[in-house]
Amino acid sequence: AQSVTQLDSQVPVFEEAPVELRCNYSSSVSVYLFWYVQYPNQGLQLLLKYLSGSTLVKGINGFEAEFNKSQTSFHLRKPSVHISDTAEYFCAVSQGSNDYKLSFGAGTTVTVRA
Amino acid sequence: DVKVTQSSRYLVKRTGEKVFLECVQDMDHENMFWYRQDPGLGLRLIYFSYDVKMKEKGDIPEGYSVSREKKERFSLILESASTNQTSMYLCASRTDNEQFFGPGTRLTVL
Repeated sequence: AQSVTQLDSQVPVFEEAPVELRCNYSSSVSVYLFWYVQYPNQGLQLLLKYLSGSTLVKGINGFEAEFNKSQTSFHLRKPSVHISDTAEYFCAVSQGSNDYKLSFGAGTTVTVRA
Repeated sequence: DVKVTQSSRYLVKRTGEKVFLECVQDMDHENMFWYRQDPGLGLRLIYFSYDVKMKEKGDIPEGYSVSREKKERFSLILESASTNQTSMYLCASRTDNEQFFGPGTRLTVL
């Protein structure tokens, strides 16, 4: 089974500042990578995904992530956050198109302050 | 838009009760999943179903069972609820390498 490590459990950040959320995974085979966001009292929503191709992936709400195969990382970034980005963020991994299952990290709570 | 609905947002049950959590998706997806979400542990897969009447255990199936009699509906059953099953339960359905999640059911077992 895949192992996913989100290196920061809590990230406080001021409005309009940049943010980076770190994600590392354990795998020696091809993987699909995902970032999900969970706003308070809601289910998970897909921010972006990497399946193949360009290692820089752009998602919704101004987020982007970079796949680094040599470092087995998939860090999420946003250059300027808003109060509305306050949420919990989950990194997830699957082992390609034949793997139905996702392995999730423990989550990173981002709190944006004015 | 894909819609995944769960029967209850909040549920309170007593130890030993049989509990049913229902999930319905409206996009004819073959694959459906049940997760539980706990602080600091992320989401953990309980069971998944890759077709009607087909199911497979996930990472933490103990104390749970599932039922998938129709394609759109996937039920999670707690045969005898225990306090350590107090958690947030999330249902998802999958197509094209993406999972779509319901709003969750927060279950409290007293």
